Amino acid sequence: GDSVTQMEGPVTLSEEAFLTINCTYTATGYPSLFWYVQYPGEGLQLLLKATKADDKGSNKGFEATYRKETTSFHLEKGSVQVSDSAVYFCALSDHGSSNTGKLIFGQGTTLQVKP
Amino acid sequence: NAGVTQTPKFRILKIGQSMTLQCTQDMNHNYMYWYRQDPGMGLKLIYYSVGAGITDKGEVPNGYNVSRSTTEDFPLRLELAAPSQTSVYFCASSSRSGVGELFFGEGSRLTVL
Repeated sequence: GDSVTQMEGPVTLSEEAFLTINCTYTATGYPSLFWYVQYPGEGLQLLLKATKADDKGSNKGFEATYRKETTSFHLEKGSVQVSDSAVYFCALSDHGSSNTGKLIFGQGTTLQVKP
Repeated sequence: NAGVTQTPKFRILKIGQSMTLQCTQDMNHNYMYWYRQDPGMGLKLIYYSVGAGITDKGEVPNGYNVSRSTTEDFPLRLELAAPSQTSVYFCASSSRSGVGELFFGEGSRLTVL
């Protein structure tokens, strides 16, 4: 079945460092891909998405490009801030989910940014 | 805007007890979901609904039940609680036309002792 694999955490960076969180997927067909973020004590919220190959999603300085050839959707940010400390989840739309909206999530990667 | 509201936020249950996690949304979304989040395991789908009166099993439905009598409400029932159901539970909703933007509640942390 479809699945998402993220790099293990936690990832610890100093403020203003460059961030990459790797995400690869296995899917039948052509899923949409997403990054969600969960701040401490809160629910998940959508950070960015891409719906077809070579699309780049971006939001709040974060970017990710849908790479069909490498089945990847890596999250990047050029200069992280302490406020970016959170858990980041990569997700894909389940095969055949166009009428259900179901998502499959990776295991999450914790990011800690130190001043 | 209230969005997706879950209650209770925290609950401790004894083995064998039953309870209902409440979820309501005020965005008139047709699609609603229950996920559980376990450390290092990501989110697993328990049940989902594509509209009032329609529910279906997700990846990990055993030990749970749901109902969807209205568009707004999607309660999750735990029967005969077991320690394996200790988790954080998230309810989410999505609009008819959007694929992927799920709106999540703040979660309900359940401990079964």
